[in-house]
Amino acid sequence: NAGVTQTPKFRILKIGQSMTLQCAQDMNHNYMYWYRQDPGMGLKLIYYSVGAGITDKGEVPNGYNVSRSTTEDFPLRLELAAPSQTSVYFCASRTGTGAGELFFGEGSRLTVL
Amino acid sequence: AQSVTQLDSQVPVFEEAPVELRCNYSSSVSVYLFWYVQYPNQGLQLLLKYLSGSTLVKGINGFEAEFNKSQTSFHLRKPSVHISDTAEYFCAVSEGGGADGLTFGKGTHLIIQP
Repeated sequence: NAGVTQTPKFRILKIGQSMTLQCAQDMNHNYMYWYRQDPGMGLKLIYYSVGAGITDKGEVPNGYNVSRSTTEDFPLRLELAAPSQTSVYFCASRTGTGAGELFFGEGSRLTVL
Repeated sequence: AQSVTQLDSQVPVFEEAPVELRCNYSSSVSVYLFWYVQYPNQGLQLLLKYLSGSTLVKGINGFEAEFNKSQTSFHLRKPSVHISDTAEYFCAVSEGGGADGLTFGKGTHLIIQP
């Protein structure tokens, strides 16, 4: 069972570079999420999607973009990376009904220098 | 909007002692409550959840939590901890299972001392 798969696991970027964090799930979940985790701050929601072609902003969307062309994939794009985007990024998914639990990937650790 | 407060950023406990990790939430509507655990360099995994019904919820690895609506609390407990319980624990809330995911607390680092 793959569950939620994130790539890459680690990445170092220079200020101003761009990159895409990949997220794929094989559970046929409609809802997908991107969170960022900073020490002592818990997890903050960046973007989420309730199905292919539908995305919406979370609490901290500035500097990021997402797309959802398929049910399985939910990539997160960082444009013009800044040191403030140094963080651990988690992708998660769940079914669209009720209060299903979130299933998390193992995270992508990004450092912007 | 909902919010979650985890009152302790760090809790040191001796092995085989009991532990309680505190969580309070605020919300104007009915909520679903969750506890997640994060082991070093891993993603989050669900420990337990409260959706409705019995206020005492049992989870994996011997953990349990009690939902107290009047106190707006959802404290996590374990009667006897093991060194392998060393991890970060997150309380989270969802207002009525909304699509915008969960709101997380800042986490409590449980440190088990031998």
